[in-house]
Amino acid sequence: AQSVTQLGSHVSVSEGALVLLRCNYSSSVPPYLFWYVQYPNQGLQLLLKYTSAATLVKGINGFEAEFKKSETSFHLTKPSAHMSDAAEYFCAVRGHSGGYQKVTFGTGTKLQVIP
Amino acid sequence: DVKVTQSSRYLVKRTGEKVFLECVQDMDHENMFWYRQDPGLGLRLIYFSYDVKMKEKGDIPEGYSVSREKKERFSLILESASTNQTSMYLCAAQGQGFHIQYFGAGTRLSVL
Repeated sequence: AQSVTQLGSHVSVSEGALVLLRCNYSSSVPPYLFWYVQYPNQGLQLLLKYTSAATLVKGINGFEAEFKKSETSFHLTKPSAHMSDAAEYFCAVRGHSGGYQKVTFGTGTKLQVIP
Repeated sequence: DVKVTQSSRYLVKRTGEKVFLECVQDMDHENMFWYRQDPGLGLRLIYFSYDVKMKEKGDIPEGYSVSREKKERFSLILESASTNQTSMYLCAAQGQGFHIQYFGAGTRLSVL
């Protein structure tokens, strides 16, 4: 069984401020973890992924996330928000035991960037 | 990059109509998925397919069926559309042994 919880359905930050989007996961097997971004009127695209290599993962557009097993967290950060970061962000988890493993998505966090 | 194309961006249908949502991918990926996206609920898996003519139910298959006659095409069918099926529908493709799902732009379906 697996699940993700995204804390905060809406987050607002000022342009240039730190972005922190929170994700906690639950998985009965070692997880793969993902952050996807959805811009208005578009599908989802991958920002970054953790697949059991380095615990600090760097993604596109200056985003990064750190896998913390002890806290079962995979929070997404960006040092300085840009107006173009306004979008909805989804955390996702997938187990990697044998066979097909379903991806479970969180409920999403909408990021608003205030000029 | 993988391209996943959904045939319609917006659809308006009437209650009781049969609705077909089409999805095509261009990278020969084995796995294809249909999700439904609703505010506050995130993405919920309706059906997925891991090969031609193969399908598995996801978390919310009731009221839906699927068809995969060719590897590149995965269709979602609403046999008799109802108002509670008004939603955004997203198709995705994933290669066997790979981790990333590639998404189409979505079809926003309104059932009146």
